[in-house]
Amino acid sequence: DTAVSQTPKYLVTQMGNDKSIKCEQNLGHDTMYWYKQDSKKFLKIMFSYNNKELIINETVPNRFSPKSPDKAHLNLHINSLELGDSAVYFCASTLMYTGELFFGEGSRLTVL
Amino acid sequence: AQTVTQSQPEMSVQEAETVTLSCTYDTSENNYYLFWYKQPPSRQMILVIRQEAYKQQNATENRFSVNFQKAAKSFSLKISDSQLGDTAMYFCAFMKQRTQGGSEKLVFGKGTKLTVNP
Repeated sequence: DTAVSQTPKYLVTQMGNDKSIKCEQNLGHDTMYWYKQDSKKFLKIMFSYNNKELIINETVPNRFSPKSPDKAHLNLHINSLELGDSAVYFCASTLMYTGELFFGEGSRLTVL
Repeated sequence: AQTVTQSQPEMSVQEAETVTLSCTYDTSENNYYLFWYKQPPSRQMILVIRQEAYKQQNATENRFSVNFQKAAKSFSLKISDSQLGDTAMYFCAFMKQRTQGGSEKLVFGKGTKLTVNP
């Protein structure tokens, strides 16, 4: 009964490939996020969706495309992977106006 | 834009002692939340403590407490009776309160790596 679950947890792939990370939450939240944690552990927001609508889109290469089929799911697709995309990607969710985010366990992406 | 600064990249403490992690932030907002998250080697982000800016009383969760100084824009975390399991990265984070039609996001500091020594 994991609250925010991400798959896969680990992903190793070659430069130039396309990959996706999936996220699902069973908390009934209406807002979901993707955060990137780089090799220095710095966490930065990438995207946020509220009820399937994109509400935050930080300066992220357009090779990254989020998709939210419904408010319980937020997927991240990355095209033409580069070495610099290696990072841990965290999904998170919240219920609007509660001010509390719940994080998934993270997906470690390694690009060779 | 909001910024969060953690000036101590690394700290260490002896088991059973008390340690304080510093955090300052910069914002022009009046309504916001402040958080401390813990990230152990398992990489899970665990919420340690949360403070609403309108509350003057400092938040406390068991051995964890904060010293929230709104005027000084300071939000330090005190860990009492440190345990080996407290060894982790600690992130201070800020989130402005969402307004109608707006959005909310966590802005993180760069983290403090805390080691508890036996």
